[in-house]
Amino acid sequence: RKEVEQDPGPFNVPEGATVAFNCTYSNSASQSFFWYRQDCRKEPKLLMSVYSSGNEDGRFTAQLNRASQYISLLIRDSKLSDSATYLCVVNWAGNMLTFGGGTRLMVKP
Amino acid sequence: NAGVTQTPKFQVLKTGQSMTLQCAQDMNHNSMYWYRQDPGMGLRLIYYSASEGTTDKGEVPNGYNVSRLNKREFSLRLESAAPSQTSVYFCASTETGGATSTIYFGEGSWLTVV
Repeated sequence: RKEVEQDPGPFNVPEGATVAFNCTYSNSASQSFFWYRQDCRKEPKLLMSVYSSGNEDGRFTAQLNRASQYISLLIRDSKLSDSATYLCVVNWAGNMLTFGGGTRLMVKP
Repeated sequence: NAGVTQTPKFQVLKTGQSMTLQCAQDMNHNSMYWYRQDPGMGLRLIYYSASEGTTDKGEVPNGYNVSRLNKREFSLRLESAAPSQTSVYFCASTETGGATSTIYFGEGSWLTVV
């Protein structure tokens, strides 16, 4: 079993739709959680950190469920520019960040 | 702002050849990392350097060596390239440890071993 698992997708949604991704992690001692965005043939970039109380940044909402060991990312009012791969990232040991395989999102006109 | 710069961007090697990927950051970060990314596998940590003068193995270190030349530079060397090392390599850096600091990536190096 992978330490951090994501549905690879692709998720194909129309513009304006709401879409949600989940990411499960195996280590209950995990401390920090992040969502990164990666465009095709580009480097990953931080989208948002995920806090225990949940957090929102514009159209993006991240949630953490420690009991079930998953984090989620909700995107409202999808834009064409949201098309990308979304990487779930978990830290449980100092400098070691573990990345999920990514979920690909394609927003269609 | 340059951020994290890595070279070369593209490279084709023959099996058994050696090469070094170069990485430099201009953000005065303490920690630097080398990852590889393969389809469906996510990014996997090869080596990291928590601070100048230290290096540690990550998840997939076999076949690689690293040098933290100074605070700015962290190089990755393939001594005898194998087709299994065909991948996209990303250098990254953080101010402190990865737990609380944003990790910044270079643009990637596409390596093909034939």
